[in-house]
Amino acid sequence: QKEVEQDPGPLSVPEGAIVSLNCTYSNSAFQYFMWYRQYSRKGPELLMYTYSSGNKEDGRFTAQVDKSSKYISLFIRDSQPSDSATYLCAFRTGRRALTFGSGTRLQVQP
Amino acid sequence: ETGVTQTPRHLVMGMTNKKSLKCEQHLGHNAMYWYKQSAKKPLELMFVYSLEERVENNSVPSRFSPECPNSSHLFLHLHTLQPEDSALYLCASSQVDYGGGYTFGSGTRLTVV
Repeated sequence: QKEVEQDPGPLSVPEGAIVSLNCTYSNSAFQYFMWYRQYSRKGPELLMYTYSSGNKEDGRFTAQVDKSSKYISLFIRDSQPSDSATYLCAFRTGRRALTFGSGTRLQVQP
Repeated sequence: ETGVTQTPRHLVMGMTNKKSLKCEQHLGHNAMYWYKQSAKKPLELMFVYSLEERVENNSVPSRFSPECPNSSHLFLHLHTLQPEDSALYLCASSQVDYGGGYTFGSGTRLTVV
């Protein structure tokens, strides 16, 4: 079983739609949960960071963590063409290096 | 300059060449990382330097050799690479005792011919 599972997509939605991106994980020691956004020909940039179960909101973005189900989600409201990118989930245990999902490619159609 | 800067942005090299990738961070971080990103695969951790000491080496072939002369600079020396080593090589930095995320550079797109 892979440590992190993430649907690679591509996911294509119309502008204004609500987008849901998800990852499941198997390592119960993961303590920190992150979402990165990666535009083409760029490095990943940190989008959302959470430490505990529950929701965290930042503008149009909401990160959700369910530790009991080992499941994290990123919701994007009122999606824009500029949101078109690859979204990577990432996990961290203490001082260990980050473990990444393979990324979901999102295309928002104008 | 701010953030994490990687040079060169693109590199084409033959299998018998020797080249180096450079990474520089201006964030005052004390940990630096090399990751390999191949199509449709998760980011693969290659090396970790924490406080200028290599603390992790994920079974990377010896044809990749890292160097961290100080907390702001990181190199990846390449020699006798294989075509399957073609990928995007990403450098990142962080604070070692901070549980948060990393700051990545834009990467070096490496093609081995």
